[in-house]
Amino acid sequence: QQQVKQSPQSLIVQKGGISIINCAYENTAFDYFPWYQQFPGKGPALLIAIRPDVSEKKEGRFTISFNKSAKQFSLHIMDSQPGDSATYFCAANGRGFQKLVFGTGTRLLVSP
Amino acid sequence: DAGVTQSPTHLIKTRGQHVTLRCSPISGHKSVSWYQQVLGQGPQFIFQYYEKEERGRGNFPDRFSARQFPNYSSELNVNALLLGDSALYLCASSLVSGGDEQYFGPGTRLTVT
Repeated sequence: QQQVKQSPQSLIVQKGGISIINCAYENTAFDYFPWYQQFPGKGPALLIAIRPDVSEKKEGRFTISFNKSAKQFSLHIMDSQPGDSATYFCAANGRGFQKLVFGTGTRLLVSP
Repeated sequence: DAGVTQSPTHLIKTRGQHVTLRCSPISGHKSVSWYQQVLGQGPQFIFQYYEKEERGRGNFPDRFSARQFPNYSSELNVNALLLGDSALYLCASSLVSGGDEQYFGPGTRLTVT
């Protein structure tokens, strides 16, 4: 019940296209859903996060869509750029968890 | 402002040895969490400390231990190293215990031979 399932495992998008990564969770106690971006050899960097009281959050080219009833959330990267090529992790946290539960990651490659 | 710092950057150890990894949180952050990231997988939670007290522990053997100091820096210790302990060890800091916004350091790459 503490798992966060992430798909796809890898994704290739052309420059200027939209990258979409999906995550699903089971535990309704989760109430914070961040996305992290990780480049090779680096630690994960917090990209954007959402709470269940809103259905969408946008920051620049990055948007989180949240569907509480389906227990799913997704990351959309608009106008994808080669510099966006990285591994993206969704995660979840909740009251009393004291930790982030991560998805398995999506390797994104944006072709020039 | 400096982010989360970790030392050393890389470490090579032999099976059976002991290792100590260090972390300094973002200034003003009182909570430190440790995660293990095996190649190709997401980070897995090991420990969370707040105000020098352990507030959470993941599913790791007793060979793993940690502590937090009065200046909020932290150490992760691993005894009797196994080949399977080879991973990137990440430290994350947050303002409060179990804080949602966790900021990660660059990690320590541990290789056990």
